[in-house]
Amino acid sequence: AQSVAQPEDQVNVAEGNPLTVKCTYSVSGNPYLFWYVQYPNRGLQFLLKYITGDNLVKGSYGFEAEFNKSQTSFHLKKPSALVSDSALYFCAVRDLNDNFNKFYFGSGTKLNVKP
Amino acid sequence: DARVTQTPRHKVTEMGQEVTMRCQPILGHNTVFWYRQTMMQGLELLAYFRNRAPLDDSGMPKDRFSAEMPDATLATLKIQPSEPRDSAVYFCASQTPGSEQYFGPGTRLTVT
Repeated sequence: AQSVAQPEDQVNVAEGNPLTVKCTYSVSGNPYLFWYVQYPNRGLQFLLKYITGDNLVKGSYGFEAEFNKSQTSFHLKKPSALVSDSALYFCAVRDLNDNFNKFYFGSGTKLNVKP
Repeated sequence: DARVTQTPRHKVTEMGQEVTMRCQPILGHNTVFWYRQTMMQGLELLAYFRNRAPLDDSGMPKDRFSAEMPDATLATLKIQPSEPRDSAVYFCASQTPGSEQYFGPGTRLTVT
């Protein structure tokens, strides 16, 4: 069965510091991994994805994520946080071999970046 | 800039009334999803379609919810009768096979 875990409900970081939002996943086949961001009163926006290739994936707004197969993790990172990065972040996974394209979303992590 | 559109953006209704939410997927996207977001349950998948055919609606309360795609440019989610516990934000998303999902802005439903 496919699932995603985001172990932290909330992450607090000071502006200018590096940030990490954690995600671990479980799939029966090969994973196709995503990060989305949701600002207040908005829909989810796609940030980045991993299919194959380089384990470090770069996305929008300076975010990147590292795929770690042995730890089944796909943590989101940014070297220097901005106050404007404060939002709700969702990790998602689908099985690459799933013909139905069904995504499994984590419960979300609220990122608070303080000035 | 192609995007998913949803109407209405906000809906306040009384318990027992019918509610219809509409979604226009991005042109050319053949898979459409309906999600519900609440503080308590987070993001829940209600139903999804490919090429207008329902693939899975197991996340939807069958007795009051129904989802359809009358044509490739319109998906609808209907609640009849509505209840206060249906209050949530309902999102539509679309994608092409193998791509990421693109979300609409959501319909915020309040049932009093």
